Amino acid sequence: DADVTQTPRNRITKTGKRIMLECSQTKGHDRMYWYRQDPGLGLRLIYYSFDVKDINKGEISDGYSVSRQAQAKFSLSLESAIPNQTALYFCATRGQGGDTQYFGPGTRLTVL
Amino acid sequence: RKEVEQDPGPFNVPEGATVAFNCTYSNSASQSFFWYRQDCRKEPKLLMSVYSSGNEDGRFTAQLNRASQYISLLIRDSKLSDSATYLCVVGGSQGNLIFGKGTKLSVKP
Repeated sequence: DADVTQTPRNRITKTGKRIMLECSQTKGHDRMYWYRQDPGLGLRLIYYSFDVKDINKGEISDGYSVSRQAQAKFSLSLESAIPNQTALYFCATRGQGGDTQYFGPGTRLTVL
Repeated sequence: RKEVEQDPGPFNVPEGATVAFNCTYSNSASQSFFWYRQDCRKEPKLLMSVYSSGNEDGRFTAQLNRASQYISLLIRDSKLSDSATYLCVVGGSQGNLIFGKGTKLSVKP
């Protein structure tokens, strides 16, 4: 089984809808991250969390919120989706003291 | 200046060729450096970390020049399976990663 999983893998929604993307990990890592990837722009950091009580904004947090329900779970919400939030979203984890981040398979979100 | 800048690419090379990717970063205080590989529509995966002394992993060699804020990746004897996008990545101050836009490599028979 994959160490970092994301659900859903693909989602098409309409402008104004609330969407939640979920991430779960079995690596026991305390640090979790949400990135989005757009063609020509690379991956950009949305939010990150060092533990359940520590949530931080990244480079492009506007229009997004997150919830760290447990060490293993980190959810990203779009309160009112808009078309320019159409992108590929990746969750990643990292262990304390380690450099390597491990990515989930991504969620492809399309907002019409 | 972008935090991490890479060669624009794409690179189209024949099998067996040697190809080099270059990258520059803007934050002189950066402490960690990586090359990630990303296949089409898949997640990025760590190819190798980059150390000041340079490091090699099989056909792949990574170099770091802190004075010039420059990172490189050399792929020797390229294979069809090396076709992917290569991402230059620098560690951020919050433990996050700062990605370059990536360089696409296509290795042709």
